[in-house]
Amino acid sequence: EAQVTQNPRYLITVTGKKLTVTCSQNMNHEYMSWYRQDPGLGLRQIYYSMNVEVTDKGDVPEGYKVSRKEKRNFPLILESPSPNQTSLYFCASSPHRPLYEQYFGPGTRLTVT
Amino acid sequence: EDQVTQSPEALRLQEGESSSLNCSYTVSGLRGLFWYRQDPGKGPEFLFTLYSAGEEKEKERLKATLTKKESFLHITAPKPEDSATYLCAVRRRNSGYALNFGKGTSLLVTP
Repeated sequence: EAQVTQNPRYLITVTGKKLTVTCSQNMNHEYMSWYRQDPGLGLRQIYYSMNVEVTDKGDVPEGYKVSRKEKRNFPLILESPSPNQTSLYFCASSPHRPLYEQYFGPGTRLTVT
Repeated sequence: EDQVTQSPEALRLQEGESSSLNCSYTVSGLRGLFWYRQDPGKGPEFLFTLYSAGEEKEKERLKATLTKKESFLHITAPKPEDSATYLCAVRRRNSGYALNFGKGTSLLVTP
């Protein structure tokens, strides 16, 4: 089954404790992206990647890191999480053409206390 | 500042009662407008892409249209399974590959 998977689905952590949210897709898509979704603010893009070793900032990259060492994986790293990073996170992927028919993962609900 | 505004925020319809959702945008150099559907607790699901004013796309009971300032998602004779949040997103010129999403319209269709 074609899908985007994220792990963990739920995470409660404390301020400053480094964490990684994994994202993997099995569709051989070139493009991958991370979003956060907050009430009243909607979906906002954090980082995206056009292909292996190619990443770029979205609208809210502060406090996040990403890497794209393999085509199928695009982990999101929070080096020192803070409470304002409490949010619902989505990973998405799409083929190079058409670029914006994105397939979203099921989401990771992160709480930073 | 570039903006994407969706209205209404919430809409309640009786089954079979047709209506439209609006997405207005103020971006310089639109390079595509996208509609997604999001069910509670799930990731958004792609519906349509529109690129130029006058373009229309249809899928089952949904029809998306685009003008120079806004897009409409028309829902004809909706069913309860159409209940979801509908998101609009735009890609603007010189934004790289970033997408701007609206806050969504939450649609509830009652039997």
